[in-house]
Amino acid sequence: GQQVMQIPQYQHVQEGEDFTTYCNSSTTLSNIQWYKQRPGGHPVFLIQLVKSGEVKKQKRLTFQFGEAKKNSSLHITATQTTDVGTYFCAGRTGGANNLFFGTGTRLTVIP
Amino acid sequence: GAVVSQHPSWVICKSGTSVKIECRSLDFQATTMFWYRQFPKQSLMLMATSNEGSKATYEQGVEKDKFLINHASLTLSTLTVTSAHPEDSSFYICSARPRRVNYEQYFGPGTRLTVT
Repeated sequence: GQQVMQIPQYQHVQEGEDFTTYCNSSTTLSNIQWYKQRPGGHPVFLIQLVKSGEVKKQKRLTFQFGEAKKNSSLHITATQTTDVGTYFCAGRTGGANNLFFGTGTRLTVIP
Repeated sequence: GAVVSQHPSWVICKSGTSVKIECRSLDFQATTMFWYRQFPKQSLMLMATSNEGSKATYEQGVEKDKFLINHASLTLSTLTVTSAHPEDSSFYICSARPRRVNYEQYFGPGTRLTVT
């Protein structure tokens, strides 16, 4: 079955440091989405990437979709305490309706 | 906009009983709703996809007779955990996809089920 892995599983950073999480799929994805889940909360949609090699930015967040459409990354520049949470990638294959979530990366930002 | 509610937010039940969880899209119509289950500090696992007016599509390993899903209208889907056991204790989250948007999903706040 389809597997979507993320590394690292946990990351502790000092406030102001950068942070990157990587997402790898066992199969080629038609698109990939990123979500953020705060502790005790529910996932909130951040962005979707569709094209091979696509790069999108949202303020301090940079999202990339790999050329082979099997991996993706999320990079946060100069982390803030508000960035705390678990970041999930979620991929979709072909014309499938459903998303398969990655294993998540839990980010802790130390003030 | 794009608010999804779930009810109840938490529930405790005894083994052998059934529990119904509701998922509603409050300000949009959702042709597709998804049900996920999340164990503590773990990822979301898709259980099933439901389309309004048709039978739900269950993921491999999910018992459809145990987790009954009904998507009776464009704003409501229900998940019923039948004959619940302690191993069914988990965080159940639904998401809904708006009719006019083909990729974004909005998640409900989740329901924490504890089976004693």
